[in-house]
Amino acid sequence: EPEVTQTPSHQVTQMGQEVILRCVPISNHLYFYWYRQILGQKVEFLVSFYNNEISEKSEIFDDQFSVERPDGSNFTLKIRSTKLEDSAMYFCASSEALRGMGRLGYGYTFGSGTRLTVV
Amino acid sequence: LAKTTQPISMDSYEGQEVNITCSHNNIATNDYITWYQQFPSQGPRFIIQGYKTKVTNEVASLFIPADRKSSTLSLPRVSLSDTAVYYCLVGDILNSGGGADGLTFGKGTHLIIQP
Repeated sequence: EPEVTQTPSHQVTQMGQEVILRCVPISNHLYFYWYRQILGQKVEFLVSFYNNEISEKSEIFDDQFSVERPDGSNFTLKIRSTKLEDSAMYFCASSEALRGMGRLGYGYTFGSGTRLTVV
Repeated sequence: LAKTTQPISMDSYEGQEVNITCSHNNIATNDYITWYQQFPSQGPRFIIQGYKTKVTNEVASLFIPADRKSSTLSLPRVSLSDTAVYYCLVGDILNSGGGADGLTFGKGTHLIIQP
């Protein structure tokens, strides 16, 4: 079964440092996403990416966050200056193109996540 | 997206059938109902999606009554490994720009299976 791969699985960083979280989505998927989950809380949507640009972003996704698809396989999330409250699990996901089919949530595949700890 | 309400937690035993009900009174005509499963320290995993009546796959069944204001995820003969959080999501991409929309997860139902 195809998987979304995330690296690293764990990252510890000092407050104020930049971090880059990496993801390899499923190869024939066209939509890419980042979500985060603070310990014990809900899974929260950050951003979606399609056709080499951001399609939608949440209020959480402020100027300290950026996403990039530097080549044909990787999808990255950069946090420029980490804060203590950025500590969370970050999940990458990808999905097929479903425009016109009315099936929100169908076929999304999530990775196993990167646990980011800011100290 | 329609608001959903699920029990916060449920307990059951191995070998039993477990039914988790989700209320979505404000579901719109084009909305689909989708269930995800999440194990600790892992990303959510798609289980099943439906629009009306009954949908069954190798993992679960989804029952949706005619008024579609609720849905029930049915897990047959659960095992310890079914202990997880189960999320009910309701929405449609047609009215929100296509398949790039983010999913909105609630708190889900924490299902605990005991031996």
